Amino acid sequence: DVKVTQSSRYLVKRTGEKVFLECVQDMDHENMFWYRQDPGLGLRLIYFSYDVKMKEKGDIPEGYSVSREKKERFSLILESASTNQTSMYLCASSPQLGNQPQHFGDGTRLSIL
Amino acid sequence: RKEVEQDPGPFNVPEGATVAFNCTYSNSASQSFFWYRQDCRKEPKLLMSVYSSGNEDGRFTAQLNRASQYISLLIRDSKLSDSATYLCAGDKAAGNKLTFGGGTRVLVKP
Repeated sequence: DVKVTQSSRYLVKRTGEKVFLECVQDMDHENMFWYRQDPGLGLRLIYFSYDVKMKEKGDIPEGYSVSREKKERFSLILESASTNQTSMYLCASSPQLGNQPQHFGDGTRLSIL
Repeated sequence: RKEVEQDPGPFNVPEGATVAFNCTYSNSASQSFFWYRQDCRKEPKLLMSVYSSGNEDGRFTAQLNRASQYISLLIRDSKLSDSATYLCAGDKAAGNKLTFGGGTRVLVKP
């Protein structure tokens, strides 16, 4: 079974803080993704990476950056957290071979106060 | 128009009944589709992959209609534990990214 692990289930931070969300997968997948999920807006792609040190912007990259130094780890960084970044953050991974499903971590519920 | 659209529901289903709901997509180049199940405040979990005309797994059947650009999910003999939100996803023209629908909520009641 694919295992995608996110570092925190719940996180509370303050406005202006730099926030790091970590994701690790154990299936040697090339592709990794960061989404946020909000009521009424569904899943929205923030960034994705198809290889080490490679990254591409998703649909809503503003206010976020990412890091992929190792194949198994994909980090999402909120440079200066704002209250509108309060959300459920989901990491996913998939193999390089196309047409494959993504497998999700159990999510981080982030609150910015 | 959203790339992938779903009726948000909720679909209220008596236990033991059959329920079916659709997901429409606008990208005619999409090759692969996926149904995920998401419980409240949990992550989406893969339920089924659909690459050709359809797929079946136990009580769950997915049908793909490329001419009309929709995928359906049918649940037979509904269980209380089937209550969840069902997300549909389609690939972006055989790429690695997926586009997700907003989900259909299903409530199975005794």
